[in-house]
Amino acid sequence: AQSVAQPEDQVNVAEGNPLTVKCTYSVSGNPYLFWYVQYPNRGLQFLLKYITGDNLVKGSYGFEAEFNKSQTSFHLKKPSALVSDSALYFCAVRDWSSGTYKYIFGTGTRLKVLA
Amino acid sequence: DGGITQSPKYLFRKEGQNVTLSCEQNLNHDAMYWYRQDPGQGLRLIYYSQIVNDFQKGDIAEGYSVSREKKESFPLTVTSAQKNPTAFYLCASNGQESEKLFFGSGTQLSVL
Repeated sequence: AQSVAQPEDQVNVAEGNPLTVKCTYSVSGNPYLFWYVQYPNRGLQFLLKYITGDNLVKGSYGFEAEFNKSQTSFHLKKPSALVSDSALYFCAVRDWSSGTYKYIFGTGTRLKVLA
Repeated sequence: DGGITQSPKYLFRKEGQNVTLSCEQNLNHDAMYWYRQDPGQGLRLIYYSQIVNDFQKGDIAEGYSVSREKKESFPLTVTSAQKNPTAFYLCASNGQESEKLFFGSGTQLSVL
């Protein structure tokens, strides 16, 4: 079965510094990968996706992600963090292995941007 | 406005009681999903449905039931067989034109 792993429970970064939130994947075939963000007591919001094409994917709110096939990674990045970026971030993969498609999420990484 | 509506926002369950969480979408999406969110465990898939009158079990279906009688509605029942129901429940949907999931605002279920 397809899966994603987020190795860090929490990432702290100073405002204005670059940020990286890590995600690795385990899939058979070509992966469909996603990043979502969740603010307190809310549903998840889509940030970006990788289906095929350029390894650097640009998304909402200045976020981007780099797909690396050799390292099976899909890390989320932003050149300059804002305090308002503090939230819970989820990596996800689309799973076809059961004959129908479904979405599998990682355990989430809490990002804290310090002023 | 198009979107997904979950209700109620907060729900309390007594011992031995079944409760039903509502999820309605007006996005004309075929696929709908229910996830359970617990701190430190991320989102775990309970049930999903690709089309009306059809649904599949996810990773943690025991103690839950669903129905998909209408395209826009996918209610989740938490039965008395679910011994640890306290969690945040999220409903999502997506259409054939996009792989992107749209989420509702969630229902927090607690046990009295």
